[in-house]
Amino acid sequence: KNQVEQSPQSLIILEGKNCTLQCNYTVSPFSNLRWYKQDTGRGPVSLTIMTFSENTKSNGRYTATLDADTKQSSLHITASQLSDSASYICVVGNQAGTALIFGKGTTLSVSS
Amino acid sequence: GAGVSQSPSNKVTEKGKDVELRCDPISGHTALYWYRQSLGQGLEFLIYFQGNSAPDKSGLPSDRFSAERTGGSVSTLTIQRTQQEDSAVYLCASSHRTGDFMNTEAFFGQGTRLTVV
Repeated sequence: KNQVEQSPQSLIILEGKNCTLQCNYTVSPFSNLRWYKQDTGRGPVSLTIMTFSENTKSNGRYTATLDADTKQSSLHITASQLSDSASYICVVGNQAGTALIFGKGTTLSVSS
Repeated sequence: GAGVSQSPSNKVTEKGKDVELRCDPISGHTALYWYRQSLGQGLEFLIYFQGNSAPDKSGLPSDRFSAERTGGSVSTLTIQRTQQEDSAVYLCASSHRTGDFMNTEAFFGQGTRLTVV
């Protein structure tokens, strides 16, 4: 069964620190992968999308990496801010274009 | 509309009652997804529509849950004989398939917060 697994489930860091969130997937054949940010009480919003040919993509302080061989992706957040506190969700699309598979997300809490 | 619209935004219902949740996807989006999110939990997949058909209903938790989509647009999620464990935020998302490449940018609505008392 196609799955997307994220780790850690939750994370607490101090403001200004860096952190890395992980996403492992078994979706095959793979099409692309997107990271979403979900603030409390709101719907998820897209951060970045990566195809199988892309290894790294940055969006401000967010950098996503993808290793299509090991089927792993990471989201690195640098110089964290209080506003980064949210759930981060990894989503993988299959090549047939028939479905999106969502991970359960990592809840990040940034404290001062 | 400009975005995915869900209604109602909040719904409080008595245990045992039926409820209907509505999702208006972005115009032209062929794919529509229903998820639910319990307090402090991740997104739980319920059902996926491509057009009016549902190739994947694997996430529906019981036969009390059903969903339909008409005209390739509006979708309704119905929960019959609601139970307290049905309390959650129900999120709808839509996406647009472009040619052979699935655009996985799924746009989410703000959700319907369902409380069963």
